[in-house]
Amino acid sequence: RKEVEQDPGPFNVPEGATVAFNCTYSNSASQSFFWYRQDCRKEPKLLMSVYSSGNEDGRFTAQLNRASQYISLLIRDSKLSDSATYLCVVPGRAGSYQLTFGKGTKLSVIP
Amino acid sequence: DGGITQSPKYLFRKEGQNVTLSCEQNLNHDAMYWYRQDPGQGLRLIYYSQIVNDFQKGDIAEGYSVSREKKESFPLTVTSAQKNPTAFYLCASSISGASYNEQFFGPGTRLTVL
Repeated sequence: RKEVEQDPGPFNVPEGATVAFNCTYSNSASQSFFWYRQDCRKEPKLLMSVYSSGNEDGRFTAQLNRASQYISLLIRDSKLSDSATYLCVVPGRAGSYQLTFGKGTKLSVIP
Repeated sequence: DGGITQSPKYLFRKEGQNVTLSCEQNLNHDAMYWYRQDPGQGLRLIYYSQIVNDFQKGDIAEGYSVSREKKESFPLTVTSAQKNPTAFYLCASSISGASYNEQFFGPGTRLTVL
């Protein structure tokens, strides 16, 4: 299994829809995870941190499944402004201080 | 406002030239990082520094060099030894180098080799 793997998409959804992305990781000892959002030709920005079973912030919910080694991001009531690439980020190799970034899942919300 | 600044936003370089990318942060973060992003690819770590006067190679350090003489600054030099330097370069910082700390990014520098 790769260190981190995401479905590249694109996910094309209508406004108001609910969409979910999954991300699998290989390091079973990982304790903290992140979802970043990256707009076209911009820098990544932190969307959510996930330290335990999950986290919720408004329309966004992140869930962690340690047994299956995946994390998910759920977006409810999609807005046009949610169109972006969503990066899954996990700790690097055991003993490493690095983070490993997924290649991202592209979301397009359509009017 | 606290944040990370990178300059320049766009940079053009002729083959065979060295070029230095600037990264400054006023967040009082100990750790700083340089990543490279190519189209359709994830971020790849070039160098990172957990403390002043110390830095380590990341996954793709060949052809790059860094310095960390001040806590606020972590410049990256792209040398002529880097075979394919055209890319989007992102600098980031975090409170410390522990992997449970989120990283905050600067706006990036787009380097094009002519």
